Amino acid sequence: DGGITQSPKYLFRKEGQNVTLSCEQNLNHDAMYWYRQDPGQGLRLIYYSQIVNDFQKGDIAEGYSVSREKKESFPLTVTSAQKNPTAFYLCASSLRGSGANVLTFGAGSRLTVL
Amino acid sequence: GENVEQHPSTLSVQEGDSAVIKCTYSDSASNYFPWYKQELGKRPQLIIDIRSNVGEKKDQRIAVTLNKTAKHFSLHITETQPEDSAVYFCAVKSRDSGAGSYQLTFGKGTKLSVIP
Repeated sequence: DGGITQSPKYLFRKEGQNVTLSCEQNLNHDAMYWYRQDPGQGLRLIYYSQIVNDFQKGDIAEGYSVSREKKESFPLTVTSAQKNPTAFYLCASSLRGSGANVLTFGAGSRLTVL
Repeated sequence: GENVEQHPSTLSVQEGDSAVIKCTYSDSASNYFPWYKQELGKRPQLIIDIRSNVGEKKDQRIAVTLNKTAKHFSLHITETQPEDSAVYFCAVKSRDSGAGSYQLTFGKGTKLSVIP
């Protein structure tokens, strides 16, 4: 399914709970990204990782955490510190470098806080 | 960081007409400008891209133009068809000087509706 798999597709969470979204790719891409999509807001970068064991904050990192222990995996944890976590989350991957890096997206995970 | 403005936010055209979406960016060092299409309920997919050393690129009914001096680029869709209805996002690749790495910054999207 496009080489990048996100799970779960739908997730419900109670306020105050942490939740982890999974992202796995088999494209042998070095770089992986997490974006948040809200209506009318486009795609906003949460975190990205260019290489294993290294990652950088994006524009809206507060209330989120990530890890990159394996090249194939880049899980995102939405913590209780995120004030408005209900959103559609997209994971993506690409080759690394300064040139034309085409992003391959996963199918997304929709998180709803009850 | 990079600031990307995209206009219009919504666009309705009659089937067969042309559609144009424009984006402006702030970092003159940006070097790569892709456009993504997201159909309802689906993931974004790249439809066309352009590098900073090229002024125009065409692929059948779609084209992208880049004006580096003015820091804006546009997506042109000719002979629109109902299946062109989707949300289109522009993006700009720039260097994160703090981390020494590159990232894409997206515009807020344009919802294109092609009326049969």
